[in-house]
Amino acid sequence: QLQLQESGPGLVKPSETLSLTCTVSGDSISSSTYNWGWIRQPPGEGPEWIGSVHESGRTYYNPSLKSRATISLDTSKNQFSLKLSSVTAADTAVYFCARDRGGSYSYFDSWGQGTLVTVSS
Amino acid sequence: SYVLTQPPSVSVAPGRTANVTCGGHNIANKRVHWYQQKPGQAPVLVIFYDNYRPSGIPERFSGSNSGNTATLTVSGVEAGDEAVYFCQVWDNSADSYVFGSGTKVTVL
Repeated sequence: QLQLQESGPGLVKPSETLSLTCTVSGDSISSSTYNWGWIRQPPGEGPEWIGSVHESGRTYYNPSLKSRATISLDTSKNQFSLKLSSVTAADTAVYFCARDRGGSYSYFDSWGQGTLVTVSS
Repeated sequence: SYVLTQPPSVSVAPGRTANVTCGGHNIANKRVHWYQQKPGQAPVLVIFYDNYRPSGIPERFSGSNSGNTATLTVSGVEAGDEAVYFCQVWDNSADSYVFGSGTKVTVL
C-alpha cells in the first residue's frame, strides 16, 4: 500500500528557505513511471500545485512559483524534497506531497497527510 | 491562466442527489478530476478523467463533462459524504495543474 509522509520545520522566518521532505513507502520512486509532486493549501483556500519531479530527475513547476521552488529526488532514501526560497506570510499553508500520474491531463492519486508550515518571525 | 469556478456550497438531504459543478472555458476539451477533502485530512481522488472511479470509491460517485461545465454527482448522499470537493485540470497553455476553489457539501 502506497504511503507518503511529509516532514520538516513547522515554522520558518520571512525571507528564509522552506525545506520539506516526503518519504515514500510501498513504491520505489526510482523505478516508478510516475511523477512525484508538491501541492500546498493556504488556510480556507483551494489547493495550489507547486511542482513535480520525474524519476529521471526532470522537474515541472507552477510558473508562479518557478523562480523560488526547487524539487529534487533522493532515490537512496526513497524520498523527494521541496525547497522554497524567500518565503513570506503568503507562503503559510499546509504542504502536501502526492503521487502525480504524469502525462497529459494528469492527476494526483495518492497524498500524504500534509504538514502545516507557518511563516512568521 | 485557466480558471475553474465552483459554487462555495451545496446542501442536500440524506438519500438525495448532490450535483457539484466546475466551470471553465471549453472545459469539455480537458479531462477533469475530483477530490474529496474532509476536515483535517488530505484530499482523496474520487473521480478521474471526467467519469472514472478509483478502486474503493462507491458507485454513488459519478462525473460528467460538457461544454463549459463539469459536474460531480453524488447519488444517495450519506452523512459521510459531507466534505469539500475540488475539481482539477491540466492547463496546457501554462503547463500547470489548476484546482478549483472547492465546494462544501453539507448533508442536512
